[in-house]
Amino acid sequence: DAGITQSPRYKITETGRQVTLMCHQTWSHSYMFWYRQDLGHGLRLIYYSAAADITDKGEVPDGYVVSRSKTENFPLTLESATRSQTSVYFCASSDRGLTNTEAFFGQGTRLTVV
Amino acid sequence: AQSVTQLDSQVPVFEEAPVELRCNYSSSVSVYLFWYVQYPNQGLQLLLKYLSGSTLVKGINGFEAEFNKSQTSFHLRKPSVHISDTAEYFCAVKGFQKLVFGTGTRLLVSP
Repeated sequence: DAGITQSPRYKITETGRQVTLMCHQTWSHSYMFWYRQDLGHGLRLIYYSAAADITDKGEVPDGYVVSRSKTENFPLTLESATRSQTSVYFCASSDRGLTNTEAFFGQGTRLTVV
Repeated sequence: AQSVTQLDSQVPVFEEAPVELRCNYSSSVSVYLFWYVQYPNQGLQLLLKYLSGSTLVKGINGFEAEFNKSQTSFHLRKPSVHISDTAEYFCAVKGFQKLVFGTGTRLLVSP
């Protein structure tokens, strides 16, 4: 199906474990983004990528790692999960052109760290 | 760097009343501005966007927003709200590469 998909939709993990959230888009958009959504904070940018093999930090990158070996995939890894990383994570993508600058969002991954 | 301020965390309103959700931004470069809506347990959906041209932008579901460069504002308005408009609304600004969001405004529409 065309669009942007995140997996898993729900995940419970233990403190200290490594966990990877997947994001896949079918549009070949240049830009991809990872956000976390927490009450009172809105959406905060974790990492973004302007193209394959180009990534950069956002507002809250500590404790997270990203990679982008292929244009369509942008996985987010929590190297050693902490309770403060309990959140809803959203992946988004957008094109590079002037008229297509809006971001399209996945359905989110609700991560609980116990 | 870009930033967005949404002054109201929650806006209660009665059905069929008008509403304005406020958004102010700051940026050192030319920006694109967006309003997104999030219904419960869903992702974000684009309501409208300002790229250039006319400062009054019309979006889906009867919403509109006005870009005011001198006041660095991009307020969202609807002349008559419905119960179904109850949702979280996010203002966002995109500069060179990053897309940055405000903290959101919860619109609560009562009968």
